[in-house]
Amino acid sequence: GAVVSQHPSRVICKSGTSVKIECRSLDFQATTMFWYRQFPKQSLMLMATSNEGSKATYEQGVEKDKFLINHASLTLSTLTVTSAHPEDSSFYICSAGAGGRLEKLFFGSGTQLSVL
Amino acid sequence: DQQVKQNSPSLSVQEGRISILNCDYTNSMFDYFLWYKKYPAEGPTFLISISSIKDKNEDGRFTVFLNKSAKHLSLHIVPSQPGDSAVYFCAASGGSGNTGKLIFGQGTTLQVKP
Repeated sequence: GAVVSQHPSRVICKSGTSVKIECRSLDFQATTMFWYRQFPKQSLMLMATSNEGSKATYEQGVEKDKFLINHASLTLSTLTVTSAHPEDSSFYICSAGAGGRLEKLFFGSGTQLSVL
Repeated sequence: DQQVKQNSPSLSVQEGRISILNCDYTNSMFDYFLWYKKYPAEGPTFLISISSIKDKNEDGRFTVFLNKSAKHLSLHIVPSQPGDSAVYFCAASGGSGNTGKLIFGQGTTLQVKP
C-alpha cells in the first residue's frame, strides 16, 4: 500500500524553540495532507488541512501563527511548531490522500513532541 | 464537543471469541464511517468502512454494523486473534463530501489473550 513517512518520530526541545515536522508521501502525489494532534487518552483532533501550493486551512481554535504549515510540493508538507511551550507537548500525526476515497488516506507514524 | 465517542477505553477478549467495539456519534450529517487499527509507534491503518446507505459491511473476520437511528456503529471481529491486539479508532466524515476531513473517536485498546 501507499506509504507516508513522518519525521522525526520523537523530539524533545526546550521551551521557546521551534520544531519542524515533515510528512512525505513516498509513492504517490498528495495535493492534500492533513495534520492531527492527539493528547493522551483523547481522539485525534484535526488541526489543519494542507493544500499544495496554497495556504493551509486551519480548524477553529488552532493558531495559524503558532502552527506553520507549508506544502511546497506534491509529496511534502511540513508543520512547524513555533516558540513551543510545554502545553504544545503532544502526539502529532499527518495523513495524505492517494486519491479521492477516504479509504485512500494514509497516515504517517506520528511525532511525539515533548517541550521542556 | 466530542462528535464521535468510543466510551470503552479498553476491551479484553479470549482468542477465538468475538470482539465488539462500539462507537457513537452525534452529528446526523455524517454519512461515511471508517475503522482504523493502530499499533504502537505506527500510524493508523484503514480497516473497514461503511456508508450511511448501508447497515452492514463485511470483510473477512471484520464486520461493521451501522444503526443510523441510534447514531451507533460497531465493529465485530470474529474469531479474534492475538495479532488483533491494537488500538481501534472509529472515524466519521460527511456534510462536505470526500474532503478527507475525519472526526475521530478516542480509541479503544483491544487485547486478545491467547
